Amino acid sequence: GAVVSQHPSRVICKSGTSVKIECRSLDFQATTMFWYRQFPKQSLMLMATSNEGSKATYEQGVEKDKFLINHASLTLSTLTVTSAHPEDSSFYICSARSLLGTSGGNNEQFFGPGTRLTVL
Amino acid sequence: KQEVTQIPAALSVPEGENLVLNCSFTDSAIYNLQWFRQDPGKGLTSLLLIQSSQREQTSGRLNASLDKSSGRSTLYIAASQPGDSATYLCAVHNYGQNFVFGPGTRLSVLP
Repeated sequence: GAVVSQHPSRVICKSGTSVKIECRSLDFQATTMFWYRQFPKQSLMLMATSNEGSKATYEQGVEKDKFLINHASLTLSTLTVTSAHPEDSSFYICSARSLLGTSGGNNEQFFGPGTRLTVL
Repeated sequence: KQEVTQIPAALSVPEGENLVLNCSFTDSAIYNLQWFRQDPGKGLTSLLLIQSSQREQTSGRLNASLDKSSGRSTLYIAASQPGDSATYLCAVHNYGQNFVFGPGTRLSVLP
């Protein structure tokens, strides 16, 4: 299947700093990328949806000024957690949906391996 | 609003058993349904994708069925192995909407 990578896989930062997480679709073009957050022993919660070249759509309750999303190309989206606080510590997972007709092109959604963020 | 539930929340079985995980959804106008596996502290691995026009998909020891009219999907695992231990998530994709995940079933297969 198609591959989605995330970088870094793990990050520890001090409160008040900003952290950028990259999400790449390695062997296919993604019309849409998604960012999820997962707290321990809970399921994934969608934070925002981004389409290449346009502004992200945030779910209710997610602060767009705190979680900046940039989707500059069909293979790259970034999530920046600005002025991170301990309550932002979580497992962040990105996902990419393929273009119909391209590799894996049946509108299937592929997930990255996740980024563990710990804010001290 | 789509709601997805999974039963049971946790399951522990001896190695070799066949087992069934259940997923229910409230809005039957789905585009597709995907089953995922998640190991502790890891991302999601897609297991099976069922389009709305399909009734089942098979991959190795896994078989997923879909009954849209009743809002149900099942994941059947044959001859379970300790390596199958993980959390299994189903996710439903409605037309024009995003994935909605179920809470997952934590499976432990005992050697």
